[in-house]
This record gives sequence, structure tokens and C-alpha cells, in this order.
Amino acid sequence: AQSVTQLDSQVPVFEEAPVELRCNYSSSVSVYLFWYVQYPNQGLQLLLKYLSGSTLVKGINGFEAEFNKSQTSFHLRKPSVHISDTAEYFCAVSGSGGYQKVTFGTGTKLQVIP
Amino acid sequence: GAGVSQSPRYKVAKRGQDVALRCDPISGHVSLFWYQQALGQGPEFLTYFQNEAQLDKSGLPSDRFFAERPEGSVSTLKIQRTQQEDSAVYLCASSPATEEKLFFGSGTQLSVL
Repeated sequence: AQSVTQLDSQVPVFEEAPVELRCNYSSSVSVYLFWYVQYPNQGLQLLLKYLSGSTLVKGINGFEAEFNKSQTSFHLRKPSVHISDTAEYFCAVSGSGGYQKVTFGTGTKLQVIP
Repeated sequence: GAGVSQSPRYKVAKRGQDVALRCDPISGHVSLFWYQQALGQGPEFLTYFQNEAQLDKSGLPSDRFFAERPEGSVSTLKIQRTQQEDSAVYLCASSPATEEKLFFGSGTQLSVL
């Protein structure tokens, strides 16, 4: 079974400042990793995913994440945030290969301050 | 349709009532998932369908919860004898394949009084 830990429930950051949202996972098998974003009153949508290959993954809206197997981490970063990035961000993990359920973390609320 | 559609958007039920929540996935998507999202929490897995086959129901919290997808498209999540702890947003997601991203609906917010 896999699990995900998002230690920061809320992250306030000033507009145009960089941000890192932390995600650590636990798994005994190879994994796929995902970041989803949930804007107010909207459904979850995929920001980026890691399946294999390059450990640096680029997603939509200028976000990127780096898979670090030794530290079992998949932190999300953006060099300069905008007001429109205010949302809740969920890290998720699944086992690789065939059907594997996707397990989500508890989420991190990013509050961008003007 | 253009996306995953869930109905109703909001449902208020009296404790003990039965409810049925509907999910219309994106046409042609093989995989369909149900998640439960309590206030302030991440989505918790309930069950998974591949076409009409329910391959994983390990997340269903009790035998009051039942899901079906009889023709491999529309799915219904039924909750019998609702309890207050069932209050949550129920999310449906579909995917063309297991490694592909999940497309989520906007959810059904269930409030049990």
C-alpha cells in the first residue's frame, strides 16, 4: 500500500515570490506520482505527473516537481506565484503497472498575498 | 459530454434515508473511480471500475455503500440508511487508462441531518 504526507496544511506567500509545497510518499513498490490542484468551487485537475524517466517534471501554469527516490519526496515548486495560484494542492501516489488506486494526501492550501 | 458530470450537485438527506449519486464519465473512458472527500481532507478512495467490472471496492466504509456501473458508462453510488458521518463531497473521476490522469467531476455535496 502507498501513502502520502503533506506536512504543510497552509502556505501563505507573497505574490511574485517563489513557493515550494512539500510531499513525501511511502511505498514498497515503484510508484507514479501526481500533483492535482483544486481551485475554489471547481473539481480537481492535474498539474503534473511523474511516471518514469527524467526526475524533473514540468506541468501547467509554470509549476514543476522533482522526484527524489532516496528521500521519497515529490515537492512542487514555482519560481514566481500569481494571485490566481491561490488554491488547494494535493499530492497523490499510485503503484506502477496495471490498475493501482490513486491515494491522495490531505492537501496544502496555497494563499497568495498581494 | 465535455467532462465528468455528477448529479445532484447538492443533496440533503435525513438520517436513515437512502441516497443515490450519479456519475457520467467522459465518453470512452474505461476507468471510473469514486472518492469521498470530508471537509478539510484529501479525497479518500472508495471504489474502482474497469468498464462494468468493479475491480476494487476496498475503500467502501461499510455495507451501506454500494456502487454499480452496469453498462460500463454511467455509475451510481448508493448509500443506504445514511448517517451523519456520511456527510462529505463525493467525487467521481474517469480515465482512459490506468496510468493516465484522472478527470474529476465537481462532486456531489451530501449533507445528512
